[in-house]
Amino acid sequence: EAGVAQSPRYKIIEKRQSVAFWCNPISGHATLYWYQQILGQGPKLLIQFQNNGVVDDSQLPKDRFSAERLKGVDSTLKIQPAKLEDSAVYLCASSLGVWGPGGNEKLFFGSGTQLSVL
Amino acid sequence: DQQVKQNSPSLSVQEGRISILNCDYTNSMFDYFLWYKKYPAEGPTFLISISSIKDKNEDGRFTVFLNKSAKHLSLHIVPSQPGDSAVYFCAASASETSGSRLTFGEGTQLTVNP
Repeated sequence: EAGVAQSPRYKIIEKRQSVAFWCNPISGHATLYWYQQILGQGPKLLIQFQNNGVVDDSQLPKDRFSAERLKGVDSTLKIQPAKLEDSAVYLCASSLGVWGPGGNEKLFFGSGTQLSVL
Repeated sequence: DQQVKQNSPSLSVQEGRISILNCDYTNSMFDYFLWYKKYPAEGPTFLISISSIKDKNEDGRFTVFLNKSAKHLSLHIVPSQPGDSAVYFCAASASETSGSRLTFGEGTQLTVNP
């Protein structure tokens, strides 16, 4: 079974430039997540999609970050304009569905895109 | 506000011995807890989970213990193997208030020496 695919693997940009990341989840997974992992910290959820609808974007800096999930499958995350503090690994994850109490949903993560903003 | 904390950035153990990784949380609404393992240049992979209705869950060499009164959980690896060397993240969710949003700790780098 193919895993979660992300591209590019690495990206270096200057501050105030824009950048986009792409994610292809595991086939059949309804839920897609974008996480930001800053060096030395745990991953932080930016946005969660259920099919092509947004379930949770409360921690997404909407003044500069945007995300979409086309036809409930692939997703792109964009930063415009980038700031120095956006340097991080951006992880995409997918799961079969939304959890309920006592649920046992597991997230499957891609390898991430490492972004360096200079 | 760091709701999930892993106070030990690193842990080193000898092969064959027990590894104990600790995690504390502050949000009493958390009802589901997971451990993820991360190798360099890879995404985290699911290791083991526990619901708040249990106090122990075991899967092979891995056991997770949950102490709700202390808001503490731990991951035991017995026996430890060099291939277990990785960063381990503790994560928690509050299904009634935030759905499946996971809150992660900072991670603990485990090194198992041959």
